[in-house]
Amino acid sequence: AQSVTQPDIHITVSEGASLELRCNYSYGATPYLFWYVQSPGQGLQLLLKYFSGDTLVQGIKGFEAEFKRSQSSFNLRKPSVHWSDAAEYFCAVGAYGSSNTGKLIFGQGTTLQVKP
Amino acid sequence: DAGVIQSPRHEVTEMGQEVTLRCKPISGHNSLFWYRQTMMRGLELLIYFNNNVPIDDSGMPEDRFSAKMPNASFSTLKIQPSEPRDSAVYFCASSPTGTGAYNEQFFGPGTRLTVL
Repeated sequence: AQSVTQPDIHITVSEGASLELRCNYSYGATPYLFWYVQSPGQGLQLLLKYFSGDTLVQGIKGFEAEFKRSQSSFNLRKPSVHWSDAAEYFCAVGAYGSSNTGKLIFGQGTTLQVKP
Repeated sequence: DAGVIQSPRHEVTEMGQEVTLRCKPISGHNSLFWYRQTMMRGLELLIYFNNNVPIDDSGMPEDRFSAKMPNASFSTLKIQPSEPRDSAVYFCASSPTGTGAYNEQFFGPGTRLTVL
């Protein structure tokens, strides 16, 4: 069955340090991939998305993600984390055969804590 | 645009009472999604509509849950009777579809439901 796996439930990094959040997916064709962020008490907000083309995708708030087909991965990175980046991060993939309805499969999320 | 609008933002009710959550999608979006988020189960897709028609309600936990979309600008999620285990944050999201590609889902701020 199609799935998205975020191996790390909780990550803690120091402010100013680099960040990488992992995401692995299962999908039979070229996937449509997304990263969302959820700040405490808020809804999910799109950080970036990959549909095709350049495998390194730039997003908002200084985030980027790299699509690696050979590893079925779409990891999220940021060179220097700010305290305001503390939030929950979700990876998602377009559900196979659902492009006309827009259904996404979400991972379980990774909670990022930032130490001062 | 005002984004996806959900009401109420907070709801506290007693077990056995009927609860109705409301959602107004972004104008022009033709897919609407209802999610539930809890600490234990994470983000779960309950049901989604395309062009006001329910496409997949397999995520609806029980017959106590029902959802409607009478027109393109309004949807409701009803729980009757409510139980304490229904306590969660309920999100509504909308998406423009029909272009042959997956587009991002835009999330509302959520309704925090507490059933006593």
